[in-house]
Amino acid sequence: GQSLEQPSEVTAVEGAIVQINCTYQTSGFYGLSWYQQHDGGAPTFLSYNALDGLEETGRFSSFLSRSDSYGYLLLQELQMKDSASYFCAVLSRSNDYKLSFGAGTTVTVRA
Amino acid sequence: DGGITQSPKYLFRKEGQNVTLSCEQNLNHDAMYWYRQDPGQGLRLIYYSQIVNDFQKGDIAEGYSVSREKKESFPLTVTSAQKNPTAFYLCASSPRTGESNYGYTFGSGTRLTVV
Repeated sequence: GQSLEQPSEVTAVEGAIVQINCTYQTSGFYGLSWYQQHDGGAPTFLSYNALDGLEETGRFSSFLSRSDSYGYLLLQELQMKDSASYFCAVLSRSNDYKLSFGAGTTVTVRA
Repeated sequence: DGGITQSPKYLFRKEGQNVTLSCEQNLNHDAMYWYRQDPGQGLRLIYYSQIVNDFQKGDIAEGYSVSREKKESFPLTVTSAQKNPTAFYLCASSPRTGESNYGYTFGSGTRLTVV
């Protein structure tokens, strides 16, 4: 099966930088995705990493190290609207190329 | 605009009843998925379908059933055999399984409560 670990909660102030780590165990790893979910809403896709390295999209960046089975999501210049849950999700051949999600990290941004 | 529509937004079920949650997409996606989310937890896969008239069980399929008679539609029935059905149910779609560059598109969810 697949297992993913990420911190349950992070709190930071506006303008700060937050890094959400995700470690995974799976066979046949294909890629790592990140999703954002505001309270009671639909998860929305943020990023996808299949190769090692950093992918930057505006204030959000995502990093992957396949050799370490590790990735992170970096949120820069935090804004109040970034308060949400963030999920890492792994895509693997052993799971028939379906996403398996972590338990999520709740990010709270304080003024 | 393309997207996924889930209905109803809120649903109340009596003990012993079957209820059906609707999921419709106009994205022309081949693959569709049903996830269950409990408070403070991640998404757990109930069923998925890669093509019309075919579907497979996910990790927690017991007490649930689905159909995929049309590409656009993937309804989920929560049967009386599901002992703890109170949860937030999310439907998603993707062009096909394994194509994650653009991610899954999720509906707004149905919150099911047993009364």
